[in-house]
Amino acid sequence: QQQVKQSPQSLIVQKGGIPIINCAYENTAFDYFPWYQQFPGKGPALLIAIRPDVSEKKEGRFTISFNKSAKQFSLHIMDSQPGDSATYFCAVNSGNTPLVFGKGTRLSVIA
Amino acid sequence: EPEVTQTPSHQVTQMGQEVILRCVPISNHLYFYWYRQILGQKVEFLVSFYNNEISEKSEIFDDQFSVERPDGSNFTLKIRSTKLEDSAMYFCASRGTVGYTFGSGTRLTVV
Repeated sequence: QQQVKQSPQSLIVQKGGIPIINCAYENTAFDYFPWYQQFPGKGPALLIAIRPDVSEKKEGRFTISFNKSAKQFSLHIMDSQPGDSATYFCAVNSGNTPLVFGKGTRLSVIA
Repeated sequence: EPEVTQTPSHQVTQMGQEVILRCVPISNHLYFYWYRQILGQKVEFLVSFYNNEISEKSEIFDDQFSVERPDGSNFTLKIRSTKLEDSAMYFCASRGTVGYTFGSGTRLTVV
């Protein structure tokens, strides 16, 4: 059983566009919702994370929107650039339990 | 910026051989993890380690796998008798107050 469902699997946007990646979860005990960025041959790198006490968090061009009632959270990338082309993973956990990752979204930003 | 260091970056081994993957976590972190990622797929949890013992493990982490922290700085993953399906990227991570930090991974190829 998937603990977190991520969509879409892949995404192509033009430079300057706003790609949106979505994740949905079932377990209401989860209290930490990070997004990771992974470039080929590298490990996942923490991009931005949110706790369930806020509905939105913004860091630079990256924004997480969190909908507690719908058990969904999403990543928005403003003014996307070719350098943002990477695979993005959402993840969930609670307390000291291990992070569980979504299946990933391969983003391509074309000039 | 502190980082998690993994060696080797690439390991090729024959089926049935033992391999040891090495990691140096961030020095003041207390929780350590191994994850694996089969090519093009999601990042999967293997095992977590806290206070010199395994705190949680997944069903992937069977009797062929073991972890230890032999000297207070290194954190190792041993696979006793490798199988073809063990071919994957293996990521070490450590956790501090700002979340997980992943290493760049070891690409294990079993032939």
